[in-house]
Amino acid sequence: SQKIEQNSEALNIQEGKTATLTCNYTNYSPAYLQWYRQDPGRGPVFLLLIRENEKEKRKERLKVTFDTTLNQSLFHITASQPADSATYLCALEGFQKLVFGTGTRLLVSP
Amino acid sequence: NAGVTQTPKFQVLKTGQSMTLQCAQDMNHEYMSWYRQDPGMGLRLIHYSVGAGITDQGEVPNGYNVSRSTTEDFPLRLLSAAPSQTSVYFCASSRTGGGNTGELFFGEGSRLTVL
Repeated sequence: SQKIEQNSEALNIQEGKTATLTCNYTNYSPAYLQWYRQDPGRGPVFLLLIRENEKEKRKERLKVTFDTTLNQSLFHITASQPADSATYLCALEGFQKLVFGTGTRLLVSP
Repeated sequence: NAGVTQTPKFQVLKTGQSMTLQCAQDMNHEYMSWYRQDPGMGLRLIHYSVGAGITDQGEVPNGYNVSRSTTEDFPLRLLSAAPSQTSVYFCASSRTGGGNTGELFFGEGSRLTVL
């Protein structure tokens, strides 16, 4: 069966360090993969989209990699700040549908 | 520019009652969708629409109806509410009406409790 896995345990890091979040998927062949940020009580907000023929995408302090041979995407936040604390969701493109993982909560302490 | 607007933000229903969650977007987006979010389950797609007059089922459509009479509006109807429908509901839209959804713009959510 199809599955998208994100670490359900919160990731705790210190300010200034690099946070790395993982998204693994099974039985999908996505053309795109997206990452969203969600703050408590708010709707998800789009961050980055990466295509299957792109190995890496960057936006300011954010970097996403997409390895279709490993069925995995990594999401990095460099020089993390307490304001980066949130839940991060990965999402895979299916035909006319976006399927989400359960998200990983990131806590950045000063 | 309001983006995606959902109403109401909070609602309490009794089992068996019906209600409609409203969703409107002012970005002229072709694609609209409804998700529910439950602890440990993530966002699950209920219904979606690729344009006015076209709707289709997502992963968890049972107990919900939708219609898309205009580009702007995509209401979600609960026909006979059940406690299992207690959840946070998100409406989302995107520019594309084609095969790939692209970037989704989400509303702020509607928190529904069914007693």
